Amino acid sequence: KQEVTQIPAALSVPEGENLVLNCSFTDSAIYNLQWFRQDPGKGLTSLLLIQSSQREQTSGRLNASLDKSSGRSTLYIAASQPGDSATYLCAVYNQGGKLIFGQGTELSVKP
Amino acid sequence: EAQVTQNPRYLITVTGKKLTVTCSQNMNHEYMSWYRQDPGLGLRQIYYSMNVEVTDKGDVPEGYKVSRKEKRNFPLILESPSPNQTSLYFCASSPGRGQGAKRYNSPLHFGNGTRLTVT
Repeated sequence: KQEVTQIPAALSVPEGENLVLNCSFTDSAIYNLQWFRQDPGKGLTSLLLIQSSQREQTSGRLNASLDKSSGRSTLYIAASQPGDSATYLCAVYNQGGKLIFGQGTELSVKP
Repeated sequence: EAQVTQNPRYLITVTGKKLTVTCSQNMNHEYMSWYRQDPGLGLRQIYYSMNVEVTDKGDVPEGYKVSRKEKRNFPLILESPSPNQTSLYFCASSPGRGQGAKRYNSPLHFGNGTRLTVT
């Protein structure tokens, strides 16, 4: 059974720092891995989607990598800002068509 | 504006009283799905639908029903709600077109959630 784990569960950094969020999964038979952002009281916003054949995706200050063989992904946030404060979730699409989420990393960026 | 709309945003009900949470998308997406989010358990998939009249169970389908009679709507039905179904529910959609992996390789669009309390 696919399990997705995110470390750390919470992270607090000063503004301007570069940071890395980690996601690991147990079954490499995936279609893709997605990173989402969730703000309090809101739904999820898709940040990046990495297909199983890809190694990384970039959007602005965000860069996500995927190492399918080792079951790992990282989300790199450059020059963090207070507006980046949110919960970040990763999720994998199993080849059975089910989407499995990690429990998220709660990020706080202090001014 | 392209969006996924859930209603209601908040719902308090009593055990056993049937309820429906509606979900509608205006992007002509083929794929729609429902999730529940609980502290310590994260987001878990309840049901998903690849197209009209096609629905499949996710990881936690017990106690829920869905229907997909038309492309834009995907209601979640709780025939006899129980307190363990108290949760935050999200609906999501994506284009879902193509064959094989292509059907899943599009970002998901989420609604703003429905907070359900069953007493």
